Amino acid sequence: DVVMTQSPLSLPVTLGQPASISCRSSQSLVYSDGNTHLNWFQQRPGQSPRRLIYMVSNRDSGVPDRFSGSGSGTNFTLKISRVEAEDVGVYYCMQGTHWLFTFGPGTRVDIK
Amino acid sequence: QVQLVESGGDLVKPGGSLRLSCAASGFTFSAFYMSWIRQTPGKGLEYLSYISGTGNDIIYADSVKGRFTISRDNTKNSMYLQMNSLTAADTGVYYCARTARLLDLRGQGTLVTVSS
Repeated sequence: DVVMTQSPLSLPVTLGQPASISCRSSQSLVYSDGNTHLNWFQQRPGQSPRRLIYMVSNRDSGVPDRFSGSGSGTNFTLKISRVEAEDVGVYYCMQGTHWLFTFGPGTRVDIK
Repeated sequence: QVQLVESGGDLVKPGGSLRLSCAASGFTFSAFYMSWIRQTPGKGLEYLSYISGTGNDIIYADSVKGRFTISRDNTKNSMYLQMNSLTAADTGVYYCARTARLLDLRGQGTLVTVSS
């Protein structure tokens, strides 16, 4: 199975400051159709996970533009340009290229 | 708008069975792959299975193969997960999602607890 690793696993941030989460896969996530199926999810405390970004850099409807995704191959990044209080939670990357589709362990973001 | 509502979770004894349902609305259900994932204390988020719009493309994670069966009824805009031979390791919150590779998660999940 493709192993997804995230760093850091815990990220204390100051309100209004940027934050960055790294996600690495053990194999390239480029699919045979040329697309890269790397998604990001947010799970706020007490809530279900929801998708923020799909195929590396496409924001879901309603997701603030302070969230952005980038990367290619095996290295990916989720950035929050200015962290707000509502961004507290756990962020997961997930690959949908190679079966078994797999998730990273999650990065917990909280406010300093 | 797209809505997915999971139901059927319950407390069940080891070795028991349970059938989860996912009711979909707000999109053309039959046109989409659908998936089940779960979140457990032991393994975090885990992808379990997906099924194509017609039901003829199905795949399972090894952890549930032979025990779980995914199905759908496009006339009812619903998907199901029949779970047999449950163990404590199957305890967790189960989510359905639209699509497979892109995993559009929308629901609140349903809690399955396997305990004697």
